[in-house]
Amino acid sequence: SQQGEEDPQALSIQEGENATMNCSYKTSINNLQWYRQNSGRGLVHLILIRSNEREKHSGRLRVTLDTSKKSSSLLITASRAADTASYFCATDAEGYQKVTFGTGTKLQVIP
Amino acid sequence: GAVVSQHPSRVICKSGTSVKIECRSLDFQATTMFWYRQFPKKSLMLMATSNEGSKATYEQGVEKDKFLINHASLTLSTLTVTSAHPEDSSFYICSASLPQYNEQFFGPGTRLTVL
Repeated sequence: SQQGEEDPQALSIQEGENATMNCSYKTSINNLQWYRQNSGRGLVHLILIRSNEREKHSGRLRVTLDTSKKSSSLLITASRAADTASYFCATDAEGYQKVTFGTGTKLQVIP
Repeated sequence: GAVVSQHPSRVICKSGTSVKIECRSLDFQATTMFWYRQFPKKSLMLMATSNEGSKATYEQGVEKDKFLINHASLTLSTLTVTSAHPEDSSFYICSASLPQYNEQFFGPGTRLTVL
């Protein structure tokens, strides 16, 4: 299946530290997106990176994409307790409308 | 950004009953909506793609007679879990796509518990 894998599965850091999450996928993609999900809630779109882009920034978020390795990373700098959530990558190999989610990384930021 | 709502947010039902979940795009028209299912501490699994005015496209392994999808208008798609059983208990999330933004907008999810 196309479903990506993310690592680590869980990450616990101190407030102020940086958090890095990685996502790997299996087939060629058009776009890769990162989402955030607070426990028991819906998803919030964080950032989209296109297959012809290598890096993208949005506030404290930095996303990289390496299509040769079929991998992406999400870096959250200067983490805050409010960043505690699960983070998912999602790819759309079959066109932008259908996305497949990775396994997710559960991030805990300790105040 | 675009807003997608779901109703109800939580539902508890008895085994054997049917449950309908609504997904609405509040400030835009969505020709395509998606239904996902999420088990505890797991990722989202796409169940089906809902197209306005036509039959839904189901993913492999998803029973179309079990999970009825209707997309009667450009702002509403419904998922009906028929003859629900405890194993259908899950978090169901819908999304609607905005082609011009190349992005899906997700609803807040519906927690279904079947007793």
